[in-house]
Amino acid sequence: ETGVTQTPRHLVMGMTNKKSLKCEQHLGHNAMYWYKQSAKKPLELMFVYNFKEQTENNSVPSRFSPECPNSSHLFLHLHTLQPEDSALYLCASSQGSYRRDSGNTIYFGEGSWLTVV
Amino acid sequence: SQKIEQNSEALNIQEGKTATLTCNYTNYSPAYLQWYRQDPGRGPVFLLLIRENEKEKRKERLKVTFDTTLKQSLFHITASQPADSATYLCALPRSYNTDKLIFGTGTRLQVFP
Repeated sequence: ETGVTQTPRHLVMGMTNKKSLKCEQHLGHNAMYWYKQSAKKPLELMFVYNFKEQTENNSVPSRFSPECPNSSHLFLHLHTLQPEDSALYLCASSQGSYRRDSGNTIYFGEGSWLTVV
Repeated sequence: SQKIEQNSEALNIQEGKTATLTCNYTNYSPAYLQWYRQDPGRGPVFLLLIRENEKEKRKERLKVTFDTTLKQSLFHITASQPADSATYLCALPRSYNTDKLIFGTGTRLQVFP
């Protein structure tokens, strides 16, 4: 039990499909994140939400659309993806602080394995 | 911008030995550095944080050092066990005045009996 729950754990979708990944955190955190992890590459930060407001979008293609209805829930809507988007998508949360020395510890979910065919 | 370098080659060691993993960063000295463990197909799990004014931090069989002169952190697992086999990620703030982290690619540790 990590405190951050992601569903589904596995998803196979065609390039014309629309699907969504869901994340819920039970830790009372104020910040939530979407990361992408591909083989042999470092974790890539995609989106950041603080107090349900998007504060960061790292040049992510518009076929990925995040939604954060409240501080506990985060969605990633997927539409017309490409095969190269196949990866492990990780949701995470943290207390959220802009202080340099906050020691911002990230709590990750188990991830959603996405395969685009 | 800040970059992290971790040895991409897997580290294979015998049970009972000490495993040492290295994390090097390239630019400014971060306020802190973190280590995470990631098992195959699962999300990373936070292990330890060490701050810039700390030389060493311990937690059970884990020890982390932080050398701001060398721009390096070492992560040690003493009396290693097969259950310690995993990928270990180093993370630190991506720029000077932020708490947003960047992660290394990780080093895979394999402990064999």
